Amino acid sequence: NAGVTQTPKFQVLKTGQSMTLQCAQDMNHNSMYWYRQDPGMGLRLIYYSASEGTTDKGEVPNGYNVSRLNKREFSLRLESAAPSQTSVYFCASSEPLRPGFDGYTFGSGTRLTVV
Amino acid sequence: DAKTTQPPSMDCAEGRAANLPCNHSTISGNEYVYWYRQIHSQGPQYIIHGLKNNETNEMASLIITEDRKSSTLILPHATLRDTAVYYCIVRVAIYSGAGSYQLTFGKGTKLSVIP
Repeated sequence: NAGVTQTPKFQVLKTGQSMTLQCAQDMNHNSMYWYRQDPGMGLRLIYYSASEGTTDKGEVPNGYNVSRLNKREFSLRLESAAPSQTSVYFCASSEPLRPGFDGYTFGSGTRLTVV
Repeated sequence: DAKTTQPPSMDCAEGRAANLPCNHSTISGNEYVYWYRQIHSQGPQYIIHGLKNNETNEMASLIITEDRKSSTLILPHATLRDTAVYYCIVRVAIYSGAGSYQLTFGKGTKLSVIP
């Protein structure tokens, strides 16, 4: 099925460990995003990539790095995980809007716990 | 992007219409109103969007007041599967170019559909 695929779905890290969250989309979208969602809160933008080869900071970029590997893939890396990074991470992609359709598609999320 | 205000929670009887309000008193002339929902911590799902005219699709209707300072999302016949957090988002639409645009989520309205 077409959409946004995130791996892994669950992860537990110890403080100071590093890991990379993977995201891939098969809809040929130019733009991709990483959001985080803390309990009881809305989503907040970490980083985004408007097109292949470009990345920009969002609202909460500190402690993260990203790589737009190609048009399909956009990864998020935590170099030294902290308990404050315990969250659910959502990847998304988008295409330009057209009347009656909003171009955003979200993945199913990665639930990360840092102990 | 303009700020939105939504009630934190609402209940609705199964089979009845669910009317979810949103205030966006600082909306600008070129900003659209979008609605997304998030079911049980899955990735957010697009529902509908509009500028000033009322809109309807297979999922819901969107009623925007004439002064555009508030709107109502209507689920005409709520089912248990409509239990979710509903987010009202106001932003400028981009219909061309790379299509990169941030979604700013508040805390939304937790809708509980009761049997």
